[in-house]
Amino acid sequence: EVQLLESGGGLVQPGGSLRLSCAGSRFTFSSYAMTWVRQTPGKGLEWVSAISGNGGNTYYSDSVKGRFSISRDNSRNTLYLQMNRLRVEDTALYYCAKQDDSGWYRDWGQGTLVTVSS
Amino acid sequence: DFEMTQSPSTLSASLGDRVTITCRASQSISNWLAWYQQKPGKAPKVLIYKASTLDGGVPSRFSGSGSGTEFTLTISSLQPDDFATYYCQQYHSYSPWAFGQGTKVEIK
Repeated sequence: EVQLLESGGGLVQPGGSLRLSCAGSRFTFSSYAMTWVRQTPGKGLEWVSAISGNGGNTYYSDSVKGRFSISRDNSRNTLYLQMNRLRVEDTALYYCAKQDDSGWYRDWGQGTLVTVSS
Repeated sequence: DFEMTQSPSTLSASLGDRVTITCRASQSISNWLAWYQQKPGKAPKVLIYKASTLDGGVPSRFSGSGSGTEFTLTISSLQPDDFATYYCQQYHSYSPWAFGQGTKVEIK
């Protein structure tokens, strides 16, 4: 069974930075594109960023473009999300998800909570 | 950007009811659409991908249909485990890959 374990969330002040990690196991990590999806407390899902299996292609939502950076280390089976210039509206539960076929997600982590507040 | 609009936002139904949720895309996405179920405190669970393909282990009372810009998720006979929030997601192109705003299915 695929396992995805996020870490790195926490409380940060507006304008600050945080790096999220997602460790994948029980699948060939480098063969799959990976995605970050966030969910504001009590609200819906928002696609944030994605990266191809070899890391050569990255994609961002307009709301995080220029502030967040997605990367991966396939030797460590780990996905990252570097979040800079954080805003109050970035407060959310951040999930990593393994992309199947052309872009849907069967496997999700449990999420890591990011709170941006002064 | 693609926008996904779900309706209704909330749906009240009784056990055994047939339930239909609609998802409309702002542009044609062919059949590149998935449906997810999410329960409080849990990650989303995929039910259907490619508009109508049921993922393994998903009960057959769930079905999906549609192509282009209009899609539906149908639960043929609502069961206690089905009270949850449902989301559609387009994956036609990275522009970005948008989710609908969700439909909460509540007990009537």
